[in-house]
Amino acid sequence: QKEVEQNSGPLSVPEGAIASLNCTYSDRGSQSFFWYRQYSGKSPELIMFIYSNGDKEDGRFTAQLNKASQYVSLLIRDSQPSDSATYLCAVNKGGGADGLTFGKGTHLIIQP
Amino acid sequence: DGGITQSPKYLFRKEGQNVTLSCEQNLNHDAMYWYRQDPGQGLRLIYYSQIVNDFQKGDIAEGYSVSREKKESFPLTVTSAQKNPTAFYLCASRFSIGTEAFFGQGTRLTVV
Repeated sequence: QKEVEQNSGPLSVPEGAIASLNCTYSDRGSQSFFWYRQYSGKSPELIMFIYSNGDKEDGRFTAQLNKASQYVSLLIRDSQPSDSATYLCAVNKGGGADGLTFGKGTHLIIQP
Repeated sequence: DGGITQSPKYLFRKEGQNVTLSCEQNLNHDAMYWYRQDPGQGLRLIYYSQIVNDFQKGDIAEGYSVSREKKESFPLTVTSAQKNPTAFYLCASRFSIGTEAFFGQGTRLTVV
């Protein structure tokens, strides 16, 4: 089982709708979870981070964490064409090691 | 402006050559990281450093070397032992383990 798994997509969503991105992870001891957005040819930029079970909202973005089920999701409300990008889920390494373990990313396309 | 600066943006290397990628940050972050990204792939950890004069191998350290002589700087050398060096290299830093990481703009290395 891969450490961090995401559906590669593409995920196509109409403009103005809610985009839902999902991520599962294998290390039950993981404590910190991050969502990054990456435009083609650019470096990742941080969108959200979440440490506790439940929801965390920031503007149009909501991160959801369920540690018991080992999944984290990102909801984007009122999707805009500028949200079209690859979204990377990252989980803090456990077991005393440092660094983030990344999924391969979900390619999101917002259709005007 | 605080941030992470990587240079150069594009780098071409001949087979058998060593090249060094620069990463400088003025965020006063203790921890710094090097990741590699191949097309359609997630980020993979090469090396990380939590403190000056100390660094640890990540998941794919073979063929790479680093140094951390100053808190602000974490250069990566891609040696001739790295068999497939063509990739997008990303430097990141964060305040401490578990906190959010921020990325530089990346260096695209191509072997010619």
